[in-house]
Amino acid sequence: GESVGLHLPTLSVQEGDNSIINCAYSNSASDYFIWYKQESGKGPQFIIDIRSNMDKRQGQRVTVLLNKTVKHLSLQIAATQPGDSAVYFCAEMYFGNEKLTFGTGTRLTIIP
Amino acid sequence: GAVVSQHPSRVICKSGTSVKIECRSLDFQATTMFWYRQFPKQSLMLMATSNEGSKATYEQGVEKDKFLINHASLTLSTLTVTSAHPEDSSFYICSASIALSQETQYFGPGTRLLVL
Repeated sequence: GESVGLHLPTLSVQEGDNSIINCAYSNSASDYFIWYKQESGKGPQFIIDIRSNMDKRQGQRVTVLLNKTVKHLSLQIAATQPGDSAVYFCAEMYFGNEKLTFGTGTRLTIIP
Repeated sequence: GAVVSQHPSRVICKSGTSVKIECRSLDFQATTMFWYRQFPKQSLMLMATSNEGSKATYEQGVEKDKFLINHASLTLSTLTVTSAHPEDSSFYICSASIALSQETQYFGPGTRLLVL
């Protein structure tokens, strides 16, 4: 079936450096993508989203890049802080089907 | 705005008992609510989708008689784990969406279920 997966299950980054978390998706019909942050014992927290008619979207300290040619999504976090430590999930959806399919997740650890 | 709550936040029960988890949209009317299950160090897996006033749609492999979902109002959905067993121990998360913005799901804080 269709799936969304991540290349790296864990990522350790020095505080202050930039982080890049990657995600591969397989459903070419997907037209909406979201990145979530999940801290231990909590529900997912929306970070940023992007529609398939865009290839880049920026938020506060975060940027999402979408490469539809290779079905790849990435989340860039600038100047990572200790509070960025969490598990990050990408999720995809196609309009007409409101279900979200989550990727496997990447644990981001910030090294002081 | 768009806050979703869950109750209880954690529950411990004996094997064979039933447990009810509530999901509430606090400041909006949720036309659709979703229930997810998450095992440790794993991703969220959609269990079912429920629309207010109608029967829930379950994902493949999810037993509808074991996981009873009720969406009686636009602000409340409940998940009842019937005859719980230790393998049902998991983190259950709900989300809710609004009719005019169905691509946006607002997630609850989750409920940790431990079945002894």
